[in-house]
Amino acid sequence: SQTIHQWPATLVQPVGSPLSLECTVEGTSNPNLYWYRQAAGRGLQLLFYSVGIGQISSEVPQNLSASRPQDRQFILSSKKLLLSDSGFYLCAWSGGGVGGTEAFFGQGTRLTVV
Amino acid sequence: RKEVEQDPGPFNVPEGATVAFNCTYSNSASQSFFWYRQDCRKEPKLLMSVYSSGNEDGRFTAQLNRASQYISLLIRDSKLSDSATYLCVVIPANDYKLSFGAGTTVTVRA
Repeated sequence: SQTIHQWPATLVQPVGSPLSLECTVEGTSNPNLYWYRQAAGRGLQLLFYSVGIGQISSEVPQNLSASRPQDRQFILSSKKLLLSDSGFYLCAWSGGGVGGTEAFFGQGTRLTVV
Repeated sequence: RKEVEQDPGPFNVPEGATVAFNCTYSNSASQSFFWYRQDCRKEPKLLMSVYSSGNEDGRFTAQLNRASQYISLLIRDSKLSDSATYLCVVIPANDYKLSFGAGTTVTVRA
């Protein structure tokens, strides 16, 4: 069966520090991969998605970047964190292809920038 | 206009009641629809897919109205454990992106 791992679960980082969040998927090949952010009490905002190795689409211009160095690995990074980067970061995967299969989420990383 | 809109609620209902709420979407080419459940400070989890003909999963019923561009979720015989935020998800045809509504909060009281 497919599983998705995301770490760390919680993170407290100072303003201006770098960030690296990692997500890996097991049990499937060529998944679509997603990074979402959820601010407190708000909905999910799509940050990046990837349909293949090295293919990254950015939804919102911001202080973050994403990379997909391997088929089932998705990394979210920042060189210098801002206070506004605080939030609940969620990685997700779905079956490859357009138009639609459901997505499955990792357990999320709660990031607090101080 | 947002791609997906939901009534945020909250819907406060007693145990055993029926509660229903809708989600509207703006892209008429949308192809796939889902309901997710999110508990406080947890990741969203798939509740059910929404099929054109409507579908049931135990106490949960989902409907799709393409003409009016909305999906609905109905919960019968509410349980305390149904308290959560329910997110609707829409995927347009020829697209990879899942668009989430902001969620409808349901609180079931004893």
